[in-house]
Amino acid sequence: AQSVTQLDSQVPVFEEAPVELRCNYSSSVSVYLFWYVQYPNQGLQLLLKYLSGSTLVKGINGFEAEFNKSQTSFHLRKPSVHISDTAEYFCAVRVTGGGNKLTFGTGTQLKVEL
Amino acid sequence: DAMVIQNPRYQVTQFGKPVTLSCSQTLNHNVMYWYQQKSSQAPKLLFHYYDKDFNNEADTPDNFQSRRPNTSFCFLDIRSPGLGDAAMYLCATVLDRGNTEAFFGQGTRLTVV
Repeated sequence: AQSVTQLDSQVPVFEEAPVELRCNYSSSVSVYLFWYVQYPNQGLQLLLKYLSGSTLVKGINGFEAEFNKSQTSFHLRKPSVHISDTAEYFCAVRVTGGGNKLTFGTGTQLKVEL
Repeated sequence: DAMVIQNPRYQVTQFGKPVTLSCSQTLNHNVMYWYQQKSSQAPKLLFHYYDKDFNNEADTPDNFQSRRPNTSFCFLDIRSPGLGDAAMYLCATVLDRGNTEAFFGQGTRLTVV
């Protein structure tokens, strides 16, 4: 079975500073990787996904993530955050080749301060 | 433009009183999921439908049931809600097996009093 670890439950950062949200996964088979964002009392919105190919993927709102197979990581980055990026961020994995179960990490609360 | 719609957004129910949450989709996706998300926790999969085939997660309590009368609609029934069932309930869809992107609704916040 696959699992996802998000080491940081909260990340405070000042506006316009860079940020990295960490995600590590464990799986015995190859996986697809996702980052979702959740604003208060809202559903989840897909930020970006890694399926195959280039290990650096770009998503919406200026976010990007890099897949590192040897370190089983998929960290999310943004070079300059905005107040509106304050939200909960979830990393998720799904095994390739069939099945549709998304397994989520416990989430990281990003708080952007002035 | 909303593609996965959950109703209501907020639901208050009494302890032990059956409650039904609704999800509809305009995407014509084959797979529909129900997730439970408690405060400050990751979404937890309760069950999913692939077309009409129901797939229950092993640790989903019997208190939770689901119905999918057609492609567009899926319901979550909680037969006897307890205080521990208070949570955000998220509906999601995927086009088909092997397809990768899940689309989520806005969620229903359930309060049990």
